[in-house]
Amino acid sequence: SQTIHQWPATLVQPVGSPLSLECTVEGTSNPNLYWYRQAAGRGLQLLFYSVGIGQISSEVPQNLSASRPQDRQFILSSKKLLLSDSGFYLCAWTFTSGNTIYFGEGSWLTVV
Amino acid sequence: SQQGEEDPQALSIQEGENATMNCSYKTSINNLQWYRQNSGRGLVHLILIRSNEREKHSGRLRVTLDTSKKSSSLLITASRAADTASYFCATDPGDKIIFGKGTRLHILP
Repeated sequence: SQTIHQWPATLVQPVGSPLSLECTVEGTSNPNLYWYRQAAGRGLQLLFYSVGIGQISSEVPQNLSASRPQDRQFILSSKKLLLSDSGFYLCAWTFTSGNTIYFGEGSWLTVV
Repeated sequence: SQQGEEDPQALSIQEGENATMNCSYKTSINNLQWYRQNSGRGLVHLILIRSNEREKHSGRLRVTLDTSKKSSSLLITASRAADTASYFCATDPGDKIIFGKGTRLHILP
């Protein structure tokens, strides 16, 4: 069976510090991978998605970036965090587009 | 950009009543999915309906899809306290999967 792991679960970072959130999927190959952000009490905003190694599509121009160094690894990064980067970050995967999307448990980021 | 928009934004009903949530979207889709999120957790898949389907059932859930109106509805029958959560619709324009803003459902005892 397939599983998705996302870490860290929570982190508190000062403004201007870097960020790295990591996500890995096990039990499948060549998944579509996604990063979403959810502000408190709000909907999910698609940040990045990837349909293959090294292929990253950005939905929202901002100070975040994503990378896919391996087939089942998806990393969300920032060089300098802003207060507005605070939120709940969710990694997700599908076999192909249009199929059920499976989510990790999420990472709570508070920028102070 | 938001593809799906759910309404109402919030809904409170008595336990045992039926809850109906609606979703509207903007572009052509292959499938539409509904998800549930308990507070502070990841989303859990409820049901997927394909663009050539009009209605689908799963347990106490009934989903309809009207592609001519670009809308879908989720009906939860005989609601329970455990149904309290946020519900989101998701659509798939291309390789993206776009979620709406969600409906917060509160089941009153």
